[in-house]
Amino acid sequence: EDQVTQSPEALRLQEGESSSLNCSYTVSGLRGLFWYRQDPGKGPEFLFTLYSAGEEKEKERLKATLTKKESFLHITAPKPEDSATYLCAVQAPRNTDKLIFGTGTRLQVFP
Amino acid sequence: EPEVTQTPSHQVTQMGQEVILRCVPISNHLYFYWYRQILGQKVEFLVSFYNNEISEKSEIFDDQFSVERPDGSNFTLKIRSTKLEDSAMYFCASSDPGYTFGSGTRLTVV
Repeated sequence: EDQVTQSPEALRLQEGESSSLNCSYTVSGLRGLFWYRQDPGKGPEFLFTLYSAGEEKEKERLKATLTKKESFLHITAPKPEDSATYLCAVQAPRNTDKLIFGTGTRLQVFP
Repeated sequence: EPEVTQTPSHQVTQMGQEVILRCVPISNHLYFYWYRQILGQKVEFLVSFYNNEISEKSEIFDDQFSVERPDGSNFTLKIRSTKLEDSAMYFCASSDPGYTFGSGTRLTVV
């Protein structure tokens, strides 16, 4: 069964304190791995899509990487406005376009 | 930047009533989806829609749910007889192939 596990569940950082969020997945044939940011009461906001092991993408203070079993979202020198829940989702082939989500990592950045 | 628009943002309904949640996907996207998120839980797939028909549905999407694309721009999710456990955030999404979500409708069944 396709599965996505995110860790840690929650993370508290001081402003400027860099860290990484983990997303491990088991899926038979990965079409894409997606990272989203979700603010309370809002919809997932797209950050990155990664398609193959070794791929990396960056946006401002965020950098996403992908291996054959997991993905990391690195946050460099975070600011309080980076506080949100970060969601990982995978898309597998087999004639499906659906995303399978993890439970997310709730990030709080304190000044 | 193109966005997916959902209305209403919040709907309160009595158990047993029918509700229709509305979405306007990104105009040149061809694939449309509904997802839901029960408070404190993960986002779950409900249904995908392509070429005016359902292409995939989950176990959650039973006979009380239906989707429709009544015209060239709107995409709706109907729940025929709401239950307390239908209370959740419902998200519409569209892709081609980038996957964009709307801001959601919070459905509260009382």
